[in-house]
Amino acid sequence: DAKTTQPPSMDCAEGRAANLPCNHSTISGNEYVYWYRQIHSQGPQYIIHGLKNNETNEMASLIITEDRKSSTLILPHATLRDTAVYYCIVRLYSGNTPLVFGKGTRLSVIA
Amino acid sequence: GAVVSQHPSRVICKSGTSVKIECRSLDFQATTMFWYRQFPKKSLMLMATSNEGSKATYEQGVEKDKFLINHASLTLSTLTVTSAHPEDSSFYICSARGTSGFNEQFFGPGTRLTVL
Repeated sequence: DAKTTQPPSMDCAEGRAANLPCNHSTISGNEYVYWYRQIHSQGPQYIIHGLKNNETNEMASLIITEDRKSSTLILPHATLRDTAVYYCIVRLYSGNTPLVFGKGTRLSVIA
Repeated sequence: GAVVSQHPSRVICKSGTSVKIECRSLDFQATTMFWYRQFPKKSLMLMATSNEGSKATYEQGVEKDKFLINHASLTLSTLTVTSAHPEDSSFYICSARGTSGFNEQFFGPGTRLTVL
C-alpha cells in the first residue's frame, strides 16, 4: 500500500503557481520523497526527489517540512501541458524496491 | 536522460490469443525491470519485478502462468499475456532501473492492450 496521502484533485489557473501537498507521516529516516507525474495515456515522468532539504530543478521545487511528515510540490508557473496526475512516493534511495503508486492528485490547469 | 521504449504502443487481439510486449532500455543497462498495469482512471499497479537472467517475482494476485516475463538481457524484457481475455485489456507500462546505486526508475510510454 502507498504510504502517502494526496488530495484527489486540484485546479490551477494557467500562469499561476501550483502547490500540490502530500502527507507521509510514517516516513522512515532513510526514505526519500519522490514526485512523478503521468500525462494522459503516457508513462510516468520523474519530476524531483528529496530527503530533508528543499530541492529545486528546472521543472519544480520540493518543500519538505522539518519533521518530514509532509511535503509540497510547487510548479512555479503552471501551463496547460502540466495537466496530469501527480504522484508523491516515499522510498529508499538505493536498493531494489520498486515505486509503489498511490492514487495521486489530478491537477487541471485552466486557461 | 535514460530512455525506455515499448513495442507495440497499441495492440488489439482476439480472445484466446497471446500477445508479447517488449520493453527496451535504449541508452543504459537495466539490471532490474518492473511491469505495471493500469486500468482506466486508476493508478499503476505493480505486477512483477524481473532481474536479468533470473525468474521474475510476481506480486500477490498476479498469475505467473498468464503473464510470462522474460528478462534475457540487460536491455530487453518481455511480457507475454497468454490466452488473453477481455478483462486483460489494460495499459501496460514497463520501468527499468539502471546498474548504478541510484534507485531511479525510468518508465516506458506504455502499451494499450485491447482484447476483443
